[in-house]
Amino acid sequence: DAGVTQSPTHLIKTRGQQVTLRCSPKSGHDTVSWYQQALGQGPQFIFQYYEEEERQRGNFPDRFSGHQFPNYSSELNVNALLLGDSALYLCASSLRSDYGYTFGSGTRLTVV
Amino acid sequence: GQNIDQPTEMTATEGAIVQINCTYQTSGFNGLFWYQQHAGEAPTFLSYNVLDGLEEKGRFSSFLSRSKGYSYLLLKELQMKDSASYLCAVRVKTGANNLFFGTGTRLTVIP
Repeated sequence: DAGVTQSPTHLIKTRGQQVTLRCSPKSGHDTVSWYQQALGQGPQFIFQYYEEEERQRGNFPDRFSGHQFPNYSSELNVNALLLGDSALYLCASSLRSDYGYTFGSGTRLTVV
Repeated sequence: GQNIDQPTEMTATEGAIVQINCTYQTSGFNGLFWYQQHAGEAPTFLSYNVLDGLEEKGRFSSFLSRSKGYSYLLLKELQMKDSASYLCAVRVKTGANNLFFGTGTRLTVIP
């Protein structure tokens, strides 16, 4: 049973560029949440998608946007990248918002 | 807003017991999670408390006091592989029921 799959695993982008990160949830899960984890910090909630809609959003600017597809997979898009966007981006899936979040290994984004 | 505090770093000896504390101030508390995260890896689920008391699972136990806004994770018979970051996360009763994390406690187990 595959867990949460994220791609790519590592990415280097230049300031001002745009990036798309992808997440396939665990089989049977229908809800995807995205987190940003800066070095030495805990994960910070970006947003959650359920039924292809953004259900809730954390304290992140509009440069961060997302999408959920009918197969429950999800994308995180970040526009106009800043150096401060360098972080590990984690995707977590769950069945609705029930107990039982499964995290992917993350995408390490470096902005230079 | 949500405020979750835990120590930044701890060191303990192999075979010993260590307690990692977490205090929180949240609105709409709906459960507390502990995750283990090795460097560069995904957080993995350790425990979940929603009612007061102690939950035991092998070498790991977690305690919750909702009235005090306090939890701890107890690790017994420490092994070198337990060196990792331990994340305390509170689930908040909002439309999304999402998790808010503390900064994590980096535990180093020494021989």
